[in-house]
Amino acid sequence: QQQVRQSPQSLTVWEGETAILNCSYEDSTFNYFPWYQQFPGEGPALLISIRSVSDKKEDGRFTIFFNKREKKLSLHITDSQPGDSATYFCAASGSSGSWQLIFGSGTQLTVMP
Amino acid sequence: ETAVFQTPNYHVTQVGNEVSFNCKQTLGHDTMYWYKQDSKKLLKIMFSYNNKQLIVNETVPRRFSPQSSDKAHLNLRIKSVEPEDSAVYLCASSFTGNAEQFFGPGTRLTVL
Repeated sequence: QQQVRQSPQSLTVWEGETAILNCSYEDSTFNYFPWYQQFPGEGPALLISIRSVSDKKEDGRFTIFFNKREKKLSLHITDSQPGDSATYFCAASGSSGSWQLIFGSGTQLTVMP
Repeated sequence: ETAVFQTPNYHVTQVGNEVSFNCKQTLGHDTMYWYKQDSKKLLKIMFSYNNKQLIVNETVPRRFSPQSSDKAHLNLRIKSVEPEDSAVYLCASSFTGNAEQFFGPGTRLTVL
């Protein structure tokens, strides 16, 4: 049973476009949702995160939109750059008092110049 | 520099051998983790450990074991590797009770 789902599996956009990466979850007790960015040969790096008390979190070109009722969130990358090409993981935690992270399967983003 | 460090970067070995991977964090965290990332990039938690509690993912085979000397180090030992153990092993750390985890660069294991 996959508790955190991501779509699409892969996404290609042109430089300057907005990339939208989607994530959904099943456990209503999840209350913390980080997004990680991973480049080939490196470990995942925390990019931006949101807590369930908020419906939006912005950091530069990266914005998380969160819909608690529908158990969905999305990461918007505006003005996408070739350097943004990476795999993006949505994760969740907070269920049953555990601080462990449950990761989605990732979205591989390619930004074409 | 504060970060999570892992050695080696790569390791190639044969079925049945024992391997050990090192992880050190200089972030002052008190909880450390090991993850396995497979060829499809799926991330699965293997262990989380602080000085009070070891939590083991029940799906992890017994040949895997974490080894800690202090709260800044958590090594991973694989007693007798199998072909399906080929993967990238990622170490991470956080403060206890805080889900904000920081990852090391990983160790890529290839089992021939």
